[in-house]
Amino acid sequence: ETGVTQSPTHLIKTRGQQVTLRCSSQSGHNTVSWYQQALGQGPQFIFQYYREEENGRGNFPPRFSGLQFPNYSSELNVNALELDDSALYLCASSFGQGEPDTQYFGPGTRLTVL
Amino acid sequence: AQRVTQPEKLLSVFKGAPVELKCNYSYSGSPELFWYVQYSRQRLQLLLRHISRESIKGFTADLNKGETSFHLKKPFAQEEDSAMYYCALKNYGQNFVFGPGTRLSVLP
Repeated sequence: ETGVTQSPTHLIKTRGQQVTLRCSSQSGHNTVSWYQQALGQGPQFIFQYYREEENGRGNFPPRFSGLQFPNYSSELNVNALELDDSALYLCASSFGQGEPDTQYFGPGTRLTVL
Repeated sequence: AQRVTQPEKLLSVFKGAPVELKCNYSYSGSPELFWYVQYSRQRLQLLLRHISRESIKGFTADLNKGETSFHLKKPFAQEEDSAMYYCALKNYGQNFVFGPGTRLSVLP
């Protein structure tokens, strides 16, 4: 059984650019959630994908978008990067809905926007 | 709106002393509450959830709906308990709301 992996580990972009972050869910999991964690804060929910469809969204603008693939891996895309987008982006996978599911987190991608 | 607060950014206790990490929430409904922990250089992981009424690594947490609290307790802290602790609420949309976290430092 493999855990949640994320790529890349670190990324540096400039304001206005676009970025794609990737997440491979744990084997057997069909749900992926993305979080933004700014320095000194707790993770903030961006959105969740369940069986390739968006299944909930937090208070983030439309320039944050996502995708889930048939193998349940996922991408987070951020357009028109702003300085405040600098943060650790976490992906978490889990199995199913409507049950007390456990989220398994990846190590995160550290995004720096200059 | 759902919200989770953790009033202490940093909590320092001596080894063997009791520890209580505070968590309060606001939520209109029946909440599911969790504690997550992040040890140094490790990823965020689930510690315990209120519906399981379990004790993990000596930690327990009781949901108090009257006080809207879900404090994490351990009677005798160990040095290996030093970590970042996050309280989280799972809302009606099956999404998680995390608190800002408390860093626990257990001194020798």
